Amino acid sequence: EVQLLESGGGLVRPGGSLRLSCAASGFTFSNSAMNWVRQAPGKGLEWVSAISGSGSGTYYTDSVKGRFTISRDNSRNTLYLQMSSLRVEDTALYYCASNICGSDCYSGFDSWGQGTLVTVSS
Amino acid sequence: DVVMTQSPLSLPVTLGQPASISCRSSHSLVYSDGNTYLNWFQQRPGQSPRRLIYKVSNRDSGVPDRFSGSGSGTDFTLKISRVEAEDVGVYYCMQATRWPLTFGGGTKVEIK
Repeated sequence: EVQLLESGGGLVRPGGSLRLSCAASGFTFSNSAMNWVRQAPGKGLEWVSAISGSGSGTYYTDSVKGRFTISRDNSRNTLYLQMSSLRVEDTALYYCASNICGSDCYSGFDSWGQGTLVTVSS
Repeated sequence: DVVMTQSPLSLPVTLGQPASISCRSSHSLVYSDGNTYLNWFQQRPGQSPRRLIYKVSNRDSGVPDRFSGSGSGTDFTLKISRVEAEDVGVYYCMQATRWPLTFGGGTKVEIK
């Protein structure tokens, strides 16, 4: 059974930093591209970032480019999202989602974690 | 960016009746490999999203066959043949053909 467990969320001041983690199990992590998706309170889903299975390919939505960095440690089956220069508008529930369709397949979103809440506020 | 427009925003449905959600994209979602990367997700209240349909019309394992997806190019539809109480929630379409990946705004399905 695929399991994705996010952690690392919390309350941070504007301009601050936070690192999210997503521990994966139940599938061959290194063979799967991964995504981060966020959902602001009461709002819809927004794709944030994706990374290839090897980690060599990374992609970002424009609003986080230069501020967020996606990475992974395939030896630990863990996905990360390093967030810096955080803004109030980054407040959201952050989900990781798998793509068990290949290392360079980004269309899956076949399994999702339960999310970790990031609140940016002074 | 590819804009995904869903309609309606809200869909009150009588139990046992059909429901249909439209999703239109601002650009064709046909990729160079010939596939169309259009997914549908269900988000029940208080839960994480769950994929229902991938590549327009492929139903995920465990998804009831009352759910079906169709469409091509820029126009797509999710249909529920007979709505059940457990179908209440918000439904999203999402395109994964072009970067950045984008979601529709969501359609809230509720029981009349």
